[in-house]
Amino acid sequence: QVQLQESGPGLVKPSETLSLTCTVSGYSINSGFYWGWIRQPPGGGLEWIGNIYRSGTTFYNPSLKSRVTISIDTSKNQFSLKLNSVTAADTAMYYCTRARFSDYWGQGTLVTVSS
Amino acid sequence: QSVLTQPPSASGTPGQRVTISCSGSNSNIGSDTVNWYQQLPGTAPKLLIYSDHQRPSGVPDRFSGSKSGTSASLGISGLQSEDEADYYCAAWDDSLNGVVFGGGTKLTVL
Repeated sequence: QVQLQESGPGLVKPSETLSLTCTVSGYSINSGFYWGWIRQPPGGGLEWIGNIYRSGTTFYNPSLKSRVTISIDTSKNQFSLKLNSVTAADTAMYYCTRARFSDYWGQGTLVTVSS
Repeated sequence: QSVLTQPPSASGTPGQRVTISCSGSNSNIGSDTVNWYQQLPGTAPKLLIYSDHQRPSGVPDRFSGSKSGTSASLGISGLQSEDEADYYCAAWDDSLNGVVFGGGTKLTVL
């Protein structure tokens, strides 16, 4: 059974960097598929952040591209998200998923941007 | 403003059939497949339909997907109270080179 688990700080100060890691179990990310991040602000809809392949190839949401970095560590079966220069508008539930259908999701982690 | 357009709400009574639409353009729905997600209150979204009309294992056949041109639809027949949830459509957009979502439809079972 494929499982994904997000981890990282739940509170980030404005202008700082949001960092999250997704740990995958039950499937080797080296075996294929893209892996991605999706976020959802409180009471809002889903927003795609970006995807990464085992080779390191990435695709980013154009609206976030200047602030986002997604990386992958196949040895740890993990992939990570960094979003810099955060503001209150980046407060959201952050989900990691197995793309491209997003057939598996983590439970999500709430990140609040506040001083 | 979402790239894909969904009605914000839909409703039906138990046993009824409801349809949720998702409208896009030639760069997304018109050129790639559509996925649908169900999000129950307080939970992560769940893949309901992929590649326009395919159901993942475990999804009841009450749920169906279809696509024509630049629009897609999610059909739910034999509506049940546990179907009350938010539903989202998504597709790859060739112009944006990324995934785009609809704004979501809140389904109420009356």
